[in-house]
Amino acid sequence: SQQGEEDPQALSIQEGENATMNCSYKTSINNLQWYRQNSGRGLVHLILIRSNEREKHSGRLRVTLDTSKKSSSLLITASRAADTASYFCATDSNSGYALNFGKGTSLLVTP
Amino acid sequence: GAVVSQHPSRVICKSGTSVKIECRSLDFQATTMFWYRQFPKQSLMLMATSNEGSKATYEQGVEKDKFLINHASLTLSTLTVTSAHPEDSSFYICSATPHYGYTFGSGTRLTVV
Repeated sequence: SQQGEEDPQALSIQEGENATMNCSYKTSINNLQWYRQNSGRGLVHLILIRSNEREKHSGRLRVTLDTSKKSSSLLITASRAADTASYFCATDSNSGYALNFGKGTSLLVTP
Repeated sequence: GAVVSQHPSRVICKSGTSVKIECRSLDFQATTMFWYRQFPKQSLMLMATSNEGSKATYEQGVEKDKFLINHASLTLSTLTVTSAHPEDSSFYICSATPHYGYTFGSGTRLTVV
């Protein structure tokens, strides 16, 4: 069953601005991951944060995890037009189990 | 490492025909693979868990007789959409779990006309 919920569903910003997407989930998790998907294409893994971690950075990406609130955020700094895509959070309750995907945020970055 | 190859990437078929989608783990053995479906502008929904050498486990609401899964080897799982109808048109994507993380196939865009 799908348990991740992202907000906003759609986000439109200009190049150079920061984009923040949030994800909430319902049950306890092992890991939380963020993926990117360009229109009609496959998934690109962005970052994984473990349940015992609170914050993680990778390049222009910053992910936070608050297990007490069952929520995570993905921040993309200094956005570029090429960041235009859909972003999904995904959780697993145990290692090797299927991932539960959120509904996704559609990000549009205009030049 | 940990590459999953999915084929075909796109397929158009006539209503009533069957389509087979292959998912191969190229450099690792996958006792378990997952099949997801994604309708336009929606998220990925788990359809079934494919287990090598045994029957697949289907999620609620997914017809096992319509979506046949075969996982006959440690490197290959197939999803066959039988008697396809236009409402089966979707993006199908497989996933496997090497000893670290998850890896996804590039997906198959199925269009039933």
